[in-house]
Amino acid sequence: GQNIDQPTEMTATEGAIVQINCTYQTSGFNGLFWYQQHAGEAPTFLSYNVLDGLEEKGRFSSFLSRSKGYSYLLLKELQMKDSASYLCAVSLFSGSARQLTFGSGTQLTVLP
Amino acid sequence: SAVISQKPSRDICQRGTSLTIQCQVDSQVTMMFWYRQQPGQSLTLIATANQGSEATYESGFVIDKFPISRPNLTFSTLTVSNMSPEDSSIYLCSVSGGALAGTGELFFGEGSRLTVL
Repeated sequence: GQNIDQPTEMTATEGAIVQINCTYQTSGFNGLFWYQQHAGEAPTFLSYNVLDGLEEKGRFSSFLSRSKGYSYLLLKELQMKDSASYLCAVSLFSGSARQLTFGSGTQLTVLP
Repeated sequence: SAVISQKPSRDICQRGTSLTIQCQVDSQVTMMFWYRQQPGQSLTLIATANQGSEATYESGFVIDKFPISRPNLTFSTLTVSNMSPEDSSIYLCSVSGGALAGTGELFFGEGSRLTVL
């Protein structure tokens, strides 16, 4: 089976930096995605890594190590609106269709 | 990006009834997927809706319980049949491919929140 692990909950302070880790053991790998989901809303795309290394996009960065089956999402200059669930997801198959297998999500709470 | 409209956005249903959820996309897409998100849980793929052929179901999901239609490249329906309280979830339509190919994204509808009494 597929196994994607991430912490259930994290808490951080406004203005700080937080790193959310994700480890995966899957039968295939064609990219790792991070999604943000606010309560009661649909997930929204944050980042995509298919090669090893760091992808930076504003306050958000994502890192991938395929040999270690490991990724992290780094959030800088935290804001209250960053309180949400962060979902790590793996694309198992190649091609343009992105069928994803999701981790259980990390609920981040940002405190003032 | 894609605009994905789902109907209904929420519903309260009686045990034993069936409900059909509609998903409309504003552009032609190769693949449409249906996910389920149970309370407090992450997303689980139910099936891939294939245009012109039967849907492909994931382990633990069957066509009799979750029949899917995909009459064209912009529309799909998911029916939750003979509902029980365990079917209370958010059902999400998602799309990729076609005009969106190469963007690396899976786009999600707003979800349909079903509560079964």
